[in-house]
Order: sequence, then C-alpha cells, then structure tokens
Amino acid sequence: GQNIDQPTEMTATEGAIVQINCTYQTSGFNGLFWYQQHAGEAPTFLSYNVLDGLEEKGRFSSFLSRSKGYSYLLLKELQMKDSASYLCAPRDSNYQLIWGAGTKLIIKP
Amino acid sequence: ETGVTQTPRHLVMGMTNKKSLKCEQHLGHNAMYWYKQSAKKPLELMFVYNFKEQTENNSVPSRFSPECPNSSHLFLHLHTLQPEDSALYLCASSQELAESYEQYFGPGTRLTVT
Repeated sequence: GQNIDQPTEMTATEGAIVQINCTYQTSGFNGLFWYQQHAGEAPTFLSYNVLDGLEEKGRFSSFLSRSKGYSYLLLKELQMKDSASYLCAPRDSNYQLIWGAGTKLIIKP
Repeated sequence: ETGVTQTPRHLVMGMTNKKSLKCEQHLGHNAMYWYKQSAKKPLELMFVYNFKEQTENNSVPSRFSPECPNSSHLFLHLHTLQPEDSALYLCASSQELAESYEQYFGPGTRLTVT
C-alpha cells in the first residue's frame, strides 16, 4: 500500500530552525511536493523535488533521498506566521499526489 | 477574479437535499481536482479531470457526482448525503496532470450535513 509518515506536531521558537521529516512508500515515484496549510485555509505550494538532493528557496529548503523514501523540509529564521500545517505529498506512478496527514508546526515567541 | 475560486464557501444541507459546489480556475490550467479534507485526516483525492475528461474516480460514493463542462469549471453535485460527508471540499487545478506542475487550491467549501 501507499503510506506517508510525518510527525503530528512540532514546536519551535521564533528565529530558530526546524526540520520536518517525511518518509513515504508509494507505487512508483514522480516527485515529491511540500505544501503549507494555515488553519481554515487552502494548501499552498512550497517546494518540489524530483532528484536527490537539496532544493533551496529563501528561508525554506527541501531535501529528497529516493533510495531511502525520505524527504525533509527545513525552515530557517522562523517567524510567527510560519505556524501552520506542513503537508508532504509524493506523487505515484499515476501522477497522483499521496497526501500525509501533515505536521502541525507551533512557533513560540 | 484570479486563481481558483469556489462557491459557496459554507453550506449546510439536510440529508435529503440536492446541492452543487462550483469551482472556477482563471489560470488556463488543463487539470482539475476535487479533494475532501476531514479534520485531522489526509487530503482524500475524489476526482481528477484532464482536458475535461475524467481520469480518476477514487471509489467515491455515487451520491457525489462531478461535472466538468470545460477546462475552467468544475462542479460537484451532492444528493442524499450522510453526516460523515461533512468536511472541507477543496478544488485544485494544475497546468498539466504530469510533469512538475504544482496544484493550486481554491479556498474550499465547508460542508455540514445535518
């Protein structure tokens, strides 16, 4: 079956760095997406990885290891507005996104 | 209007009612999606349309009926729903079904079935 595993909740301090891990098992693989979802709002796209390695985009970076079925999202210089759920979503052989339940990130002052 | 819009934003309906959710994308995309999001659960893909053709129906009960009259509009027709169908229904679109194109989401319709 297809499965996504990410922590349910994490807490971090404003200005710090946090890493959100995601492990996945899918039928085939066609890239992995990270989305941010604030409470009561729609998910918004953060990053996409299809090859192994690190993709950097401002304060956010995402890493992928296809052989390990593993990705992480790294958030630097945390701001209060980063409090949200972060969704890991690999894409399977049918190009369908397989969604995790998300990691709720709480930022404290 | 820009991006992906959905109407209504909130809907309360009885189990015997018939209602429709509407989604419109102003991005020139060719693929559109319906998702269901229940509290503390992963997004569940319901239907996928690519160039107006339905390509995926993830074992969705027949009380949910999608319609895609053109690449910009997507409807979800609802009838004889159950209380467990109460959820946030999200519409999304992407340039293409494959490649690296991300999905853009609408704000969702919060549905309550009484």
